[in-house]
Amino acid sequence: NAGVMQNPRHLVRRRGQEARLRCSPMKGHSHVYWYRQLPEEGLKFMVYLQKENIIDESGMPKERFSAEFPKEGPSILRIQQVVRGDSAAYFCASSPPDSAGYEQYFGPGTRLTVT
Amino acid sequence: AQSVTQPDIHITVSEGASLELRCNYSYGATPYLFWYVQSPGQGLQLLLKYFSGDTLVQGIKGFEAEFKRSQSSFNLRKPSVHWSDAAEYFCAVAGGRRALTFGSGTRLQVQP
Repeated sequence: NAGVMQNPRHLVRRRGQEARLRCSPMKGHSHVYWYRQLPEEGLKFMVYLQKENIIDESGMPKERFSAEFPKEGPSILRIQQVVRGDSAAYFCASSPPDSAGYEQYFGPGTRLTVT
Repeated sequence: AQSVTQPDIHITVSEGASLELRCNYSYGATPYLFWYVQSPGQGLQLLLKYFSGDTLVQGIKGFEAEFKRSQSSFNLRKPSVHWSDAAEYFCAVAGGRRALTFGSGTRLQVQP
């Protein structure tokens, strides 16, 4: 059973460009979470999605950031008009639909560098 | 709101020595508690978790953690550290929301 997959692993964007980060959850998992890790910090929750639904986006910046988890295909975290402060590692996690304890399995992350 | 405090930013231990990493949480009810390990440039691997029941939980790689409600703590322990345990360790809590709240992490160095 493959783990959570994220691509690209590294992404370099110039200020003002768009960044698209993709996440494929583990097989059978229908819950996806996105977290951001700034240098020397812990992970901060951004958004929680189920197929075709955003369940909790309380950690998402109000502007430029959006996320989706379509019926088919990976979850996408989209950052428009990137700024230097968006440079971070972005981690995706997934959990099965019946995980009573909210156990989450993490992908290897996408490291975004904004130049 | 739930929160997690890991008071030790950086810990150095000698190989073969015992280890304890501290974690204190804040949450009104019984939380779900987790320890994750992150090697440099890698994602997070779940070491162990506490949901309910026995307050001493066993995890992978010889780690264990004890939930102490009276102290709001969930400290991670290992009786004998190996050089390969050098990494960053994160404590996390989940309450009413599925989102995990992480501590700021403890970086472990292992001296030969």
